[in-house]
Amino acid sequence: EVQVVESGGGLVQPGGSLRLSCEVSGFTFRSYDMHWVRQAPGKGLVWVSRIDREGTGTTYADSVKGRFTVSRDNAKNTLYLQMNSLRAEDTAVYYCVGDRGSPGDYWGQGTLVTVSS
Amino acid sequence: DVVMTQSPLSLPVTLGQPASISCRSSQSLVHSNGKTYLNWFQQRPGQSPRRLIYELSNRESGVPDRFSGSGSGTDFTLKISRVEAEDVGVYYCMQSTHWPPYTFGQGTKLEIK
Repeated sequence: EVQVVESGGGLVQPGGSLRLSCEVSGFTFRSYDMHWVRQAPGKGLVWVSRIDREGTGTTYADSVKGRFTVSRDNAKNTLYLQMNSLRAEDTAVYYCVGDRGSPGDYWGQGTLVTVSS
Repeated sequence: DVVMTQSPLSLPVTLGQPASISCRSSQSLVHSNGKTYLNWFQQRPGQSPRRLIYELSNRESGVPDRFSGSGSGTDFTLKISRVEAEDVGVYYCMQSTHWPPYTFGQGTKLEIK
């Protein structure tokens, strides 16, 4: 059974940092590119970041470039998102998404990040 | 960036009737390899999204055959042949041909009349 479990969300003040994790099981993690996609409350889906299966290539949405860093540990079947200099507009549910050709093979349940003073 | 535009944004449908959602891209989604990387996602209330269709018209395993994807170039359609109660939710198209960034449509909310 495939499991994708995000964690690390919570309430943080503007300017603060959080590190999200996504632990997967039930599929060969190292064979998948991985993404972070977010969804602000009541809004649509927005792509945030991608990392290739080896962990050597990363891309970011302009809105998070320079503030967020995606990484992975294939030995631990875990994806990470380090988020710095957080802003109110970063408030969203963050989903971890698998990609073996196109994004969307697997989705987690999401973790809520709230940026507020 | 490729802009994805969906219509309608709200879609009331009678149970058992067909439904159709349009998605247009600001540029052709045909990749240099000949494939069209247009995906459709369903997000039921309170749930995570799940992919229904990938690469224009390929249905995911487990997705009922009443769902179908079609189109070409910049115009795409998701069709539901006979809407069931479990189809209520928001549907998104997403392109993965020209990235970064990957871009989604605004979403279409399907409800039962």
